[in-house]
Order: sequence, then C-alpha cells, then structure tokens
Amino acid sequence: GAVVSQHPSWVICKSGTSVKIECRSLDFQATTMFWYRQFPKQSLMLMATSNEGSKATYEQGVEKDKFLINHASLTLSTLTVTSAHPEDSSFYICSARADVYGYTFGSGTRLTVV
Amino acid sequence: GNSVTQMEGPVTLSEEAFLTINCTYTATGYPSLFWYVQYPGEGLQLLLKATKADDKGSNKGFEATYRKETTSFHLEKGSVQVSDSAVYFCALSDKDTGNQFYFGTGTSLTVIP
Repeated sequence: GAVVSQHPSWVICKSGTSVKIECRSLDFQATTMFWYRQFPKQSLMLMATSNEGSKATYEQGVEKDKFLINHASLTLSTLTVTSAHPEDSSFYICSARADVYGYTFGSGTRLTVV
Repeated sequence: GNSVTQMEGPVTLSEEAFLTINCTYTATGYPSLFWYVQYPGEGLQLLLKATKADDKGSNKGFEATYRKETTSFHLEKGSVQVSDSAVYFCALSDKDTGNQFYFGTGTSLTVIP
C-alpha cells in the first residue's frame, strides 16, 4: 500500500528556534499533502493544504509566516515551525492522497518547545 | 459546520470483552464516515469506512453503521484482543468542503490479557 514517511517522530527544541518536519511519499506521487495538528484532548485539526509547485493554502487562524510549508517535489512536503514557542508544542501529522489507496497518513511528530 | 464528537478515553478492557466507542457527527452535506486506528509508533491507518446512510463498514472484526437518523457511527467489536490496543479516531470527509477530514479527539484503547 501507499506509505508516507514522516520524521522526526519527536523533537524537543528551545524557544525561539525553528524546527523542520518532513513528509515523504515513498511509493507514490503526492500532488497534495495535508498538515494537521492536535493539541492535548483536542481533535486533529487541518492546518494547511500544500500543492506541489504552488503556495500552500492555510486554514483560518493558522499563521502562514510561522508555519512555512514547502512542497517542492511530488514526493516531499516540509513544515517548518519558525521561532517556536511553548504554545506550538503539539502533535503534527501529514496526510497525502494516493489515488488507489485513498488518504495515507504519516506517523506524526511530537513537538515539545521548552 | 462539520464536526465529530468522540467518546473520551482512555478505555481499558480485558481480552475477549465487547468494545463500543461512540462517535456522533455534525455535517452540512452528505459526508463519508471513517474510523482510523493508530498503533504505537505508526501512522493513522484506515480501519473502515461508510459512504452513505445505512452502510456498514467492517474490517478485522470491527464494525460501524452509518446512522443518519442519529448522526452516529459507533465502532464495535465483539471480542477484543491485546493486539487491538491503539488509538482510534472517528472522522468525516465531505466533498462539499474539498474532502477535508474532520477528526474526533481519538480514544485510546488498552486491552489487557
């Protein structure tokens, strides 16, 4: 089946630094990737939709200058949390649509900002 | 708008017990409904789905029926195993909103021998 590889699985960073999360589609081409985050005891919420070769579309309330998304190839999308703060600590997960298999999710990244 | 409300966990059951995880939804259109499962250290995996009212999704002994009259999609399994220990997410997707997924908060299930 279709596999999306996401890393790192977890990361701890200092406040003010930037963190990059990668998602790769291993055996299919993903023209569109979705980025979600989940705060404790809350639902997974869509942050943004990235399309290969064009700008990402952000959901209301998500700061595009803080959460930089790059989808430069059909197999790689990255999310960079810039100048991270403790309130950005969350679980981030990506998803891509593989036409035959439907939507496939990465394993998620647990970000802790200290 | 669209939303999913899911039974809070964690849930702890003995092996071979009956499982129910409640899920209700709110949707403006005619959504498809899903249950995803996340095993430790892995990504979300599709467990089952139903695309229209009265459809029943089933997989690995799990079942859920799309009930439009009660806007529910409860997950059931007659006899759980230790290997079913995971986090379960109820979700809906609506093509009227670009097939965006709306998730519940997830329910952690632990099955003890």
